[in-house]
Amino acid sequence: SQQGEEDPQALSIQEGENATMNCSYKTSINNLQWYRQNSGRGLVHLILIRSNEREKHSGRLRVTLDTSKKSSSLLITASRAADTASYFCATGVTGGFKTIFGAGTRLFVKA
Amino acid sequence: ETGVTQTPRHLVMGMTNKKSLKCEQHLGHNAMYWYKQSAKKPLELMFVYSLEERVENNSVPSRFSPECPNSSHLFLHLHTLQPEDSALYLCASSQASLAGGRDTQYFGPGTRLTVL
Repeated sequence: SQQGEEDPQALSIQEGENATMNCSYKTSINNLQWYRQNSGRGLVHLILIRSNEREKHSGRLRVTLDTSKKSSSLLITASRAADTASYFCATGVTGGFKTIFGAGTRLFVKA
Repeated sequence: ETGVTQTPRHLVMGMTNKKSLKCEQHLGHNAMYWYKQSAKKPLELMFVYSLEERVENNSVPSRFSPECPNSSHLFLHLHTLQPEDSALYLCASSQASLAGGRDTQYFGPGTRLTVL
């Protein structure tokens, strides 16, 4: 399997609920990033957490990183219909030039 | 607007055609990337240029030929493509740091390519 696997693959929630997405990876990383993509568009960077950080907040977003478990989670609080999109985690690999993206979680927020 | 533009936004081409995709970044970054995004597949890194030198080439078929004439422009030249090459092609740029790890990438809107 690949670096940066998101879970679940798809998530459907009501507006106002919280959405949690998880990401697992395999190798040592410098940082982990979360991106958002609206259908057929480019990716938009949401938040970056470095390997020496455990938690980071940005507005309604909260990201955690557990390097011992090689996992991260993205929490979107008080979701809105406009949050409907695909969310990808991406890992910056130690010693490499690549940022490796997972397959993404498709989030659908019902109004 | 992310500061990265791509043209054209949509392209339909036959298998014998030659076309080029263009990417331009207005962010002063020193690294640029081409990605391929196919339906139900993770984003695939194709090429990376840092300071106009190619630093990554992920075993991409030779029918895809990148060109980076300067730090602001990136091209992807296409020739004799196959129908399975139909996908969204995304360009991105970043400011790569010497400390290691690749920081935030800024993506263009993509070119939706259809090969008939």
